[in-house]
Amino acid sequence: GQQLNQSPQSMFIQEGEDVSMNCTSSSIFNTWLWYKQDPGEGPVLLIALYKAGELTSNGRLTAQFGITRKDSFLNISASIPSDVGIYFCAGRVSGGTSYGKLTFGQGTILTVHP
Amino acid sequence: GAVVSQHPSRVICKSGTSVKIECRSLDFQATTMFWYRQFPKQSLMLMATSNEGSKATYEQGVEKDKFLINHASLTLSTLTVTSAHPEDSSFYICSASGVGGAGGTEAFFGQGTRLTVV
Repeated sequence: GQQLNQSPQSMFIQEGEDVSMNCTSSSIFNTWLWYKQDPGEGPVLLIALYKAGELTSNGRLTAQFGITRKDSFLNISASIPSDVGIYFCAGRVSGGTSYGKLTFGQGTILTVHP
Repeated sequence: GAVVSQHPSRVICKSGTSVKIECRSLDFQATTMFWYRQFPKQSLMLMATSNEGSKATYEQGVEKDKFLINHASLTLSTLTVTSAHPEDSSFYICSASGVGGAGGTEAFFGQGTRLTVV
């Protein structure tokens, strides 16, 4: 089946630093999504990407859909303590029996030291 | 954004009993709902996909008689863990998506249910 490799697994940074994480896949996805999950909560959608090469920002967050459609990255600029959490990438292949089904990366645990 | 409400948020049950978890889309009609299971510090594992009015599609390795899914309306899906055992203890999360957009609107997640079987 499809698999997403997300890295790094964890990051420990100082407040104010920039953060970068990425996901790669052995197969093509038509949609890339980035989620953040706080402890004991469900994931919350941060950014959705629908076109190869697309670069999208949401406040201090920027994500790009790789041109090969097999990768995506998420950058967080000027991190703050409330950025702490687990970040997941997710890919989706539209159409057919996989309609709507997401494949998740393993997650990146982000810790921000004040 | 759209709101998906999951209930209960926490449940403790005795081994051998059944537990029902509800997932409701509060402000949109969810044509498709997904049920996930998540172990501590791990990713979300898709258990099944349910479409309103039809039988759920289970992922490989997920027992359909163990995890009963009902999606009887466009705003409600339920997951029943039957004859629960301690190994069923986990964090269960639902997500719901409607119709429209590029390949479907994005799925919104519920708050999750922490199930502990004692």
